[in-house]
Amino acid sequence: SQQGEEDPQALSIQEGENATMNCSYKTSINNLQWYRQNSGRGLVHLILIRSNEREKHSGRLRVTLDTSKKSSSLLITASRAADTASYFCATANTNAGKSTFGDGTTLTVKP
Amino acid sequence: KAGVTQTPRYLIKTRGQQVTLSCSPISGHRSVSWYQQTPGQGLQFLFEYFSETQRNKGNFPGRFSGRQFSNSRSEMNVSTLELGDSALYLCASSRQGTNTEAFFGQGTRLTVV
Repeated sequence: SQQGEEDPQALSIQEGENATMNCSYKTSINNLQWYRQNSGRGLVHLILIRSNEREKHSGRLRVTLDTSKKSSSLLITASRAADTASYFCATANTNAGKSTFGDGTTLTVKP
Repeated sequence: KAGVTQTPRYLIKTRGQQVTLSCSPISGHRSVSWYQQTPGQGLQFLFEYFSETQRNKGNFPGRFSGRQFSNSRSEMNVSTLELGDSALYLCASSRQGTNTEAFFGQGTRLTVV
């Protein structure tokens, strides 16, 4: 199974509401990255958080990392219809030499 | 600064044929990774190239191969295509690999008929 698993699989909210999605992983990591993907397109890099960091912000995005629980969360505040997309977390372990993606959370923001 | 460029964007091939996909990374990035994305399997890691050497490999059959040139551009080849190879193939470039941000191209949509 994938190293990272996002939860929930699907999320539907109204414009202006906050959206929170979670990512859990199994082994130790060096960093975790969040990506957004619009249907059939490439992945857009959102945030990279390193294993020694607990929280990072970028605009309306807030990412937290709890290495003791092996989990991360992505919060999108004041959501917009344009935020409708799939969101993936990717965990990186230098020893493994690769990033492993979860199955993603599909976010729908209704206008 | 130009992003990651993948060509072609769309491709239709017949079973048994072979295909070559191309990825031009961001200038200054030495690592290129390839991923296969399908509805059933999600994003699966194929391989990573760094300074013209394959540094890591995923669990794909030998029909999937790649290479990287001195200018960091990378190609991925799939031989003896199967219907199950239909997927979106994504490449990601980064400065050093997994410890740095990875930026993706728009992908090549391969359909095998």
